[in-house]
Amino acid sequence: QKEVEQNSGPLSVPEGAIASLNCTYSDRGSQSFFWYRQYSGKSPELIMSIYSNGDKEDGRFTAQLNKASQYVSLLIRDSQPSDSATYLCAVMGTGNQFYFGTGTSLTVIP
Amino acid sequence: DVKVTQSSRYLVKRTGEKVFLECVQDMDHENMFWYRQDPGLGLRLIYFSYDVKMKEKGDIPEGYSVSREKKERFSLILESASTNQTSMYLCASSVFGLGNTIYFGEGSWLTVV
Repeated sequence: QKEVEQNSGPLSVPEGAIASLNCTYSDRGSQSFFWYRQYSGKSPELIMSIYSNGDKEDGRFTAQLNKASQYVSLLIRDSQPSDSATYLCAVMGTGNQFYFGTGTSLTVIP
Repeated sequence: DVKVTQSSRYLVKRTGEKVFLECVQDMDHENMFWYRQDPGLGLRLIYFSYDVKMKEKGDIPEGYSVSREKKERFSLILESASTNQTSMYLCASSVFGLGNTIYFGEGSWLTVV
C-alpha cells in the first residue's frame, strides 16, 4: 500500500468552475499535510499547508483535512487556465519523513 | 524566501561517465533530500541527510551516492551513469519539526546517452 494516494486524473473542469482534488494517506500518526503545484517541466511549488482538522482557506484555494478518515483535499474556486498543472499531495509522517502522491493532472478549459 | 539552488539545470552525459549534481540552500536547513521524478512514477527519494556528513538511503539509492561536507551543500553523484538514470533530479531542503515544509530547487534535467 502506498503511503499517499491520489487519483492521477486527468481532471478537466471549465473555467470558473470548482476543481476538487483528493488524497488519502496511510500513516495515522501524520501531522502535516501539503499541496504542491507543478507546471510541466518545472519543480513543485508549495501552495497550501494544513495541520488541523477542518478547512483552511487562502484566496481561491481551500485545503480540507479529516484525520479520522485520513483524507486531505484541495478545492480551487473560480478555476483559471493558469491553474492547469499537476497537483501533488504531500504528507509528513512520523519520523519527519515526507511522502508524496504521484499527482493529479488538472486542465482548466477556457 | 527559501532558496534552493541547483547549479546544473540541463546536462547531457555519456554512459559510464561520473556525474555530479550540486545543490545549495541558503536557509540553514538541517535536512536535505535528492529525488528523481519520472512520468507516472512520481517523486522517488534517492538519498537524504539530516546533518553534515550524515546520509541515509531513500527508496532508490542504487547507482547513486551523496556527499554533505557542509550544512548548506548536498551533492548527488552518479558513479557510472547509465541510460536508465535519464530523469529530472530535484534537490530539496527542510527543517525539523511540526509544520515545517519541504522546499524544492528548480530541478536538473539529466540525459544519459
